[in-house]
Amino acid sequence: DAGVIQSPRHEVTEMGQEVTLRCKPISGHNSLFWYRQTMMRGLELLIYFNNNVPIDDSGMPEDRFSAKMPNASFSTLKIQPSEPRDSAVYFCASSFAPTEAFFGQGTRLTVV
Amino acid sequence: QQPVQSPQAVILREGEDAVINCSSSKALYSVHWYRQKHGEAPVFLMILLKGGEQKGHDKISASFNEKKQQSSLYLTASQLSYSGTYFCGTGRLSARQLTFGSGTQLTVLP
Repeated sequence: DAGVIQSPRHEVTEMGQEVTLRCKPISGHNSLFWYRQTMMRGLELLIYFNNNVPIDDSGMPEDRFSAKMPNASFSTLKIQPSEPRDSAVYFCASSFAPTEAFFGQGTRLTVV
Repeated sequence: QQPVQSPQAVILREGEDAVINCSSSKALYSVHWYRQKHGEAPVFLMILLKGGEQKGHDKISASFNEKKQQSSLYLTASQLSYSGTYFCGTGRLSARQLTFGSGTQLTVLP
């Protein structure tokens, strides 16, 4: 298996633009997580899906952020409109059992 | 609530030992340890599910003291490849999602 695949790896966008991050979890995994990592706040959980259903979105910072999981093999995290403070590395992770989570390589987002 | 890790950073020479601590003011239901190398994704090291449990592979091991609400990661005879940031995460197993500590940056020098 290729592991968790995220795209794009890098994204530079202007403030106010819409940004969509994509994630393909490992086949057979039924849990998917979106994390955001910054120097100031560390690794924060944004949202967690189980069997394609959002279970906990309490970490989503505000209404500008939205996430979807239309099927078991694809998820998106959308920011609209983007702001400079959204600049961070966004990780997607998936797991099957409540033990090991496998992280993707991340998307480095820069909002200028 | 985010678990607290200590120290924030540690520098040691190859072959030396290190201990990284993770504690929480709330109950620790399970403790997960991850290592992240610069510019890479976090990688799972191990999970401890109950108090008193100890685990290890190679020269990296961990313990979990449920009563004290803390876990410790032990790196013995450190190697250059051990360099990275170590994160502990905790959460209810039934919920699956984790809250991570702020990380401990470990640098192993030759």
